[in-house]
Amino acid sequence: QQQVKQSPQSLIVQKGGIPIINCAYENTAFDYFPWYQQFPGKGPALLIAIRPDVSEKKEGRFTISFNKSAKQFSLHIMDSQPGDSATYFCAASIETSGSRLTFGEGTQLTVNP
Amino acid sequence: GAGVSQSPSNKVTEKGKDVELRCDPISGHTALYWYRQRLGQGLEFLIYFQGNSAPDKSGLPSDRFSAERTGESVSTLTIQRTQQEDSAVYLCASSLYAPYYEQYFGPGTRLTVT
Repeated sequence: QQQVKQSPQSLIVQKGGIPIINCAYENTAFDYFPWYQQFPGKGPALLIAIRPDVSEKKEGRFTISFNKSAKQFSLHIMDSQPGDSATYFCAASIETSGSRLTFGEGTQLTVNP
Repeated sequence: GAGVSQSPSNKVTEKGKDVELRCDPISGHTALYWYRQRLGQGLEFLIYFQGNSAPDKSGLPSDRFSAERTGESVSTLTIQRTQQEDSAVYLCASSLYAPYYEQYFGPGTRLTVT
């Protein structure tokens, strides 16, 4: 059973655009929601994370919006750059259960110059 | 400092053979995780070690998969009698202490079963 659903599968934007990637989860016990960025041939790297006690978190050009009642969260990338071209994964975990991560299927983002 | 390292980076094996994949976590990290990433898909949790506690093996897909970790150091993931559906990238991550601390991922081992 897919517990974290991510969309879209791929996304192409122009430099300076604001790509938005969406995730929906089913398990209401999840209490930690990170986003990972993965470049080809590399392992995923943590980009930004949020806990359900806040509705929004910003770090630089990256923003997570969180809607607990809808069980949805999204990643916004402001002023996107070609160097942001990568695969992005949302994930969720239950921190009291060791933080094993449940991942979405990934979004391949391309930012054209 | 040194990150999580994994070896080999690539492994090609014949169906039915056993393989061993190695993970060297960041020094001092007590928690270690193994994940599998099939082509074009997200990561699937396999197993989690925290210090000397019993590992969480709930993600292992079959009894052909096993993993060991000695103390807070190296971990080995073993796949016996490999099948073509085992072809994937196997990723290891470590964190200072679970929960509450970021998981740092290694570059992965790409396993191809022919």
